[in-house]
This record gives sequence, C-alpha cells and structure tokens, in this order.
Amino acid sequence: DQQVKQNSPSLSVQEGRISILNCDYTNSMFDYFLWYKKYPAEGPTFLISISSIKDKNEDGRFTVFLNKSAKHLSLHIVPSQPGDSAVYFCAAVEGGNEKLTFGTGTRLTIIP
Amino acid sequence: DTEVTQTPKHLVMGMTNKKSLKCEQHMGHRAMYWYKQKAKKPPELMFVYSYEKLSINESVPSRFSPECPNSSLLNLHLHALQPEDSALYLCASSQDQNGMYTQYFGPGTRLTVL
Repeated sequence: DQQVKQNSPSLSVQEGRISILNCDYTNSMFDYFLWYKKYPAEGPTFLISISSIKDKNEDGRFTVFLNKSAKHLSLHIVPSQPGDSAVYFCAAVEGGNEKLTFGTGTRLTIIP
Repeated sequence: DTEVTQTPKHLVMGMTNKKSLKCEQHMGHRAMYWYKQKAKKPPELMFVYSYEKLSINESVPSRFSPECPNSSLLNLHLHALQPEDSALYLCASSQDQNGMYTQYFGPGTRLTVL
C-alpha cells in the first residue's frame, strides 16, 4: 500500500519559470511533510517541511502548500534554475513514529 | 550546522569480509537512522535508534548489525553480505522541536559486494 504517491515520474520546466511538484497521501495521521532533493549517488538534501497544522511554508525560492482536505501537497520552486535539476522526493511522518514514508520521486529537468 | 557525516564514501568488499560503516552527527538529534537506497528508488528504512536504543528494525537480515555507541555516533557492521546488498547506505538524524520535524541525511556510503 503506497501511502505517499508522486504520480509524475518526470517534469521538464524552462529556466526562470515556476516548477510545481505534486504529492498525494492517504494516511490522515501524518503530522509532518518534507521535501528532499537528490542527485545521483548522493544522500537526499532536506529542502523544506510543513506541519499538518499549517497550509503554507516558504523558504527562499521554495514554497510548500498543504491541502489537508484533499490530502495533497505541492512544492513550488520560483524561479527555476539549472541546478534544480534532480530527483525530488516528498516524505511524511506521524509524530512520534520516527519513520519517514517516501514517495517514489519526480525527476525535474530545468531546460536552459 | 545541519551536517551528518559518513565514512567511508566508497566500500568494496567480498562476501566473506567483515566491515563497518560509520555515521556521526553533532546536532543533538535524539533519533538516528540507517537506510538502504537502490538506484531510482526512494530510501528504504533499515533501523532506527531513539535515545541510543534500537526502536525499529525493519526485518533486516542479521548480516547487518547496527550499533549506537553514543548519542552522536551510529555504526553499521557488515558480515557475509551478498552481491544484492550492493547499494547506497544512508545515515540520517532527526529532530522534532518547536512544532517542526526535520530529518537530515548524510552523503552515503556506496557499497559494492563482490
């Protein structure tokens, strides 16, 4: 049972435009949601997280939106830069559980 | 400082060897993790240590043996591995503080079992 889903395996965006990565989940007990960026053969880099009691969190070029009623979150990157090309994973955790549940990832390619 | 360090960066071992992977964090995080990642897949959780005690073992074969000597260090002892155990092994640490949860990963150890 895939509790966290990223339905788009890949996404291409023009440099300077907005990149929107989407993530859906089924477990209403998740308390926190996190986004990671991953380059090949490297560990995931933490980007931004959001608590389930909020609907938006912003950090520089990255903004995460959470729609609890739809069980949907999205990561917006504005403006997109060539260095943003990577695989992006969303993840979720139940408070006190200590176990991250990952989505399957979306490969983002920024076109110069 | 949001750094988790791992050594070695690369490791090649035979099926009869014994080796260890090391992980360190100085962020004061109370939970530390081992993950295994295969190409093009998300990380798979192996073990979780909370306050230096093993809290989660995701049915990992006994040829992988974790150890938490203190709150900053985490080891993964390897013995009699199989070629299918070749993967990127990731360490992470986490904190749940002031209403925000974060989990940081190390750069990983690329393990090849011959």
